[in-house]
Amino acid sequence: NAGVTQTPKFQVLKTGQSMTLQCAQDMNHEYMSWYRQDPGMGLRLIHYSVGAGITDQGEVPNGYNVSRSTTEDFPLRLLSAAPSQTSVYFCASRPRPGFNQPQHFGDGTRLSIL
Amino acid sequence: GESVGLHLPTLSVQEGDNSIINCAYSNSASDYFIWYKQESGKGPQFIIDIRSNMDKRQGQRVTVLLNKTVKHLSLQIAATQPGDSAVYFCAEPYTGTASKLTFGTGTRLQVTL
Repeated sequence: NAGVTQTPKFQVLKTGQSMTLQCAQDMNHEYMSWYRQDPGMGLRLIHYSVGAGITDQGEVPNGYNVSRSTTEDFPLRLLSAAPSQTSVYFCASRPRPGFNQPQHFGDGTRLSIL
Repeated sequence: GESVGLHLPTLSVQEGDNSIINCAYSNSASDYFIWYKQESGKGPQFIIDIRSNMDKRQGQRVTVLLNKTVKHLSLQIAATQPGDSAVYFCAEPYTGTASKLTFGTGTRLQVTL
């Protein structure tokens, strides 16, 4: 079982460029989410999805878009990259929303915006 | 707003000793807590969880203690090993819903030989 797979692992962008961070899980989990991790800030929730076709905003959604067309995939889009979006991005999933269960994390995408 | 935080940013222990990592939370309505371990270059990995109807839960070499009176969690690691070196986070449901989690900033555990 691959679990949660994130691609790419590293990316460098110029300000204003766009890109999509990919996330896929093979555990048939309904709930998926995106976090960013910055030094001294802990993990902050960007967007989440409780099932295919349903997405919602987290703490820090500005500058990011998501979609959930399938159960397996939950891509994160940066429409116009800014240096403030330099961070490590983690995708996570868990079987169902609204239940007390731990999340499974991918190994992250390290993104630098110049 | 509600927050989850950690008392110590770095903890250094000798191999074989027991480690205790602390975490404070502020939302008295929180009913579920999780501890994660994050190794360098990796994503957070689930260690153990505890529900608010419990005071203590044990896993393999790890124990989580929950004190609801003072809103405090601790993670105890017995016979700490070099492979335990990592950053440890506690997390709780965000604004009362288990759909979201609020994470503390983490404590770095360094195991010395």
